[in-house]
Amino acid sequence: EAQVTQNPRYLITVTGKKLTVTCSQNMNHEYMSWYRQDPGLGLRQIYYSMNVEVTDKGDVPEGYKVSRKEKRNFPLILESPSPNQTSLYFCASGERASNQPQHFGDGTRLSIL
Amino acid sequence: DAKTTQPPSMDCAEGRAANLPCNHSTISGNEYVYWYRQIHSQGPQYIIHGLKNNETNEMASLIITEDRKSSTLILPHATLRDTAVYYCIPNSNSGYALNFGKGTSLLVTP
Repeated sequence: EAQVTQNPRYLITVTGKKLTVTCSQNMNHEYMSWYRQDPGLGLRQIYYSMNVEVTDKGDVPEGYKVSRKEKRNFPLILESPSPNQTSLYFCASGERASNQPQHFGDGTRLSIL
Repeated sequence: DAKTTQPPSMDCAEGRAANLPCNHSTISGNEYVYWYRQIHSQGPQYIIHGLKNNETNEMASLIITEDRKSSTLILPHATLRDTAVYYCIPNSNSGYALNFGKGTSLLVTP
């Protein structure tokens, strides 16, 4: 089954404690991206990757890092999380340069205290 | 990116057709119209997309006007599980950020 898998689904942690949210897709998609969703602000793109070793900033990249060492994985790293990064996060993947739709993970709810 | 206008909310009785409109008057010639929905904080779910012609799949139908400035998503027999926020998103290909906007919150009532 075509899937985008995020882990963890829920996390409560404290300010400054580094964390990583993993994202994996099994569709051999070149394009992957991360969004955050906040009430009243909708979904906003954080980072995206067009292929292995190619990443770029989205609309709200501050405080986040990503890496794309393998095609299937695109982890989101918060080196020093702060309360304003409390949010609902979604990973997405898609075939680059095609009109096929993107697929989304089930989301990760992060609470930074 | 093309800007879209969708009504903020709509109601529909269970079993009836839900017709969700979207205005995208600035859509480019190479942009498809995609429809996604989000059911209460779950991941956005793809519904359907089209370029010029009307499209139908197992979930919905998509009607695009001839001038491509607007479209309508039709859920032919809405169920309670169709209660969600529906997003109309012009996009030229899968390798670009999706601009979700505010969408239409559809409430299906018994």
